[in-house]
Amino acid sequence: DVKVTQSSRYLVKRTGEKVFLECVQDMDHENMFWYRQDPGLGLRLIYFSYDVKMKEKGDIPEGYSVSREKKERFSLILESASTNQTSMYLCASSFRTGPGTQYFGPGTRLLVL
Amino acid sequence: ELKVEQNPLFLSMQEGKNYTIYCNYSTTSDRLYWYRQDPGKSLESLFVLLSNGAVKQEGRLMASLDTKARLSTLHITAAVHDLSATYFCAVDDWGSQGNLIFGKGTKLSVKP
Repeated sequence: DVKVTQSSRYLVKRTGEKVFLECVQDMDHENMFWYRQDPGLGLRLIYFSYDVKMKEKGDIPEGYSVSREKKERFSLILESASTNQTSMYLCASSFRTGPGTQYFGPGTRLLVL
Repeated sequence: ELKVEQNPLFLSMQEGKNYTIYCNYSTTSDRLYWYRQDPGKSLESLFVLLSNGAVKQEGRLMASLDTKARLSTLHITAAVHDLSATYFCAVDDWGSQGNLIFGKGTKLSVKP
């Protein structure tokens, strides 16, 4: 079974703090993704990576950065958290070739006060 | 711009009834994905449809794909409360290296 884990299920941070969200997958997937999900807005892609040290901006990269130093790990960084970054953050991974099913982690619900 | 539209966005059903969720997309794609999300949880892969005419079934859910019409359907047979969830469809974003474009989701509520 594919396993995608995220470092925290719930997180409370203060405005201006630097926030790290970690995602690890154990299926040797090349691709990894970070989404945020908000009511009424669906899933929005923040960043994705299709190889180690590679990253591409998604639809809403502003205020975020990412790091992929190892194939299995993809980190999302909020450089200076703001209240409008309160959201559910979902990590996913997939193979680069073949059926493109993305496998999702359990999600991190972030509250920025 | 690739668009994926689901309808309805909200669906309230009685147990035992049948219904269909529709997923239309705006570009050629021969791969379509269906996911389920329970409240407060993450997305779980249900079906992957890989070619025109593909049909997949599991339990009371059956998904099909018509690439010529750019349409996929998720048919629910004799709904039960356990099927209450949000269902998402997604298609490949060709030109990217594995991105999917998701619909907004259909929130299904099955009432006794």
